[in-house]
Amino acid sequence: AQSVSQHNHHVILSEAASLELGCNYSYGGTVNLFWYVQYPGQHLQLLLKYFSGDPLVKGIKGFEAEFIKSKFSFNLRKPSVQWSDTAEYFCAVNGEGTDKLIFGTGTRLQVFP
Amino acid sequence: GAGVSQSPSNKVTEKGKDVELRCDPISGHTALYWYRQRLGQGLEFLIYFQGNSAPDKSGLPSDRFSAERTGESVSTLTIQRTQQEDSAVYLCASSQGQGGYGYTFGSGTRLTVV
Repeated sequence: AQSVSQHNHHVILSEAASLELGCNYSYGGTVNLFWYVQYPGQHLQLLLKYFSGDPLVKGIKGFEAEFIKSKFSFNLRKPSVQWSDTAEYFCAVNGEGTDKLIFGTGTRLQVFP
Repeated sequence: GAGVSQSPSNKVTEKGKDVELRCDPISGHTALYWYRQRLGQGLEFLIYFQGNSAPDKSGLPSDRFSAERTGESVSTLTIQRTQQEDSAVYLCASSQGQGGYGYTFGSGTRLTVV
C-alpha cells in the first residue's frame, strides 16, 4: 500500500531563511510525486510535480524538489522564504497504475517578517 | 467551467440530519475525487469516480456516506444521519485521467455538525 510521511508538522522561519520540508513515501514501483500548497483561506494548489526525467523539479514561486529514489524521498526546498510563503504544504504520491493520490498529513509553515 | 466548483461553501447542520454536497468538475475531466480534511489533519481519501462509475469507494467511512456522479459531470456526496465527527472540510478534485496527472481542487465545503 502507498503511504506518505511528512515529518515536519510545524515549521517557523524568519524571512530570508532557507527551507527544506521532508517527504518520504512508501511504494514498491514507479511513482509520480507532487507538492500542493494551501494558502490561508484558499484552496489547494499544485506547487510542482515529478513524473520522470530530471529528479530536480522546479515549481512556482522559487520552490524546487528533488526526487531521491534510493531514499524514497521528495523533499521541498526554497533558498529564501518570504512572509507570503506562510501556508500548509502537502506532499502526495501516485503509484503507477493506481487511481488516486495519497497525501501526507501536511506541514504548516509560518514565516515571520 | 474554469475551475472545480463546490457548493455550498459552508454548511451547518444539526446532528442526525442528512446533507448533500455538490461538486462541479472542470469540463472534460473524466476523473473526480472526494477527500475529507479534518481540522489539523491531512487529506483523507473518500471515493473516486471515472466517468459515472466508482472503481474505488474504499475511503467511505461508513454506510451513512454515499456519492454519485452524472456522466462526466456533477457529483454529489450525501451524508445521512450526520454525526459530530463528520465535521470537516470536504474537498472535491478533478483530473484529466487517473491520479497521475495531478488534481485540480475545489475550494471545499466546510461542514459543521452541531
